[in-house]
Amino acid sequence: GAGVSQSPSNKVTEKGKDVELRCDPISGHTALYWYRQSLGQGLEFLIYFQGNSAPDKSGLPSDRFSAERTGGSVSTLTIQRTQQEDSAVYLCASSPPGTLQYFGPGTRLTVL
Amino acid sequence: ELKVEQNPLFLSMQEGKNYTIYCNYSTTSDRLYWYRQDPGKSLESLFVLLSNGAVKQEGRLMASLDTKARLSTLHITAAVHDLSATYFCAVDRNSGNTPLVFGKGTRLSVIA
Repeated sequence: GAGVSQSPSNKVTEKGKDVELRCDPISGHTALYWYRQSLGQGLEFLIYFQGNSAPDKSGLPSDRFSAERTGGSVSTLTIQRTQQEDSAVYLCASSPPGTLQYFGPGTRLTVL
Repeated sequence: ELKVEQNPLFLSMQEGKNYTIYCNYSTTSDRLYWYRQDPGKSLESLFVLLSNGAVKQEGRLMASLDTKARLSTLHITAAVHDLSATYFCAVDRNSGNTPLVFGKGTRLSVIA
């Protein structure tokens, strides 16, 4: 079956612009996670959804970051007024209740 | 705060040799995951370890979990070049369906 998909695969933007990153989880997976991977920081948790609600937003680095999930499926991560330090690979993962997280291919964001 | 430490962070080993990667974590958890990441790719699940004493093997890789020592090991037997990748261990914050805390990864290079 289809895995987790993310779009775009690459995004280059100018500092100060807003970007939206999309994640399509595996069908039927109730939990959805966003992580960020950068050279200096490794893999960092950003936000977690159970269904459409986000019980844990503790990893969002600033109020420029937000995310939503609709219909218990697709999620969008929005970064407003992007900064160069936002450059990273943004990874989405999904899982059925209580088990392994399956990762998508990621979106590589470059802020110039 | 849950912390996960891996060592070594870099490992260069000759084909045919054996080696072990270590993963220590700081608070109680009974779910530990090993992932593999190839350059420019996403994370591929290798093992899920769910209980004390769990041991799983796949090909030349074997993972084990000691929850009392808060230690997992990933043992590589008779390394081959195809095993060259970065290996991450990760721990659930609250035993299931919660964000993972990752180690910094072990970059493995297998040389002839």
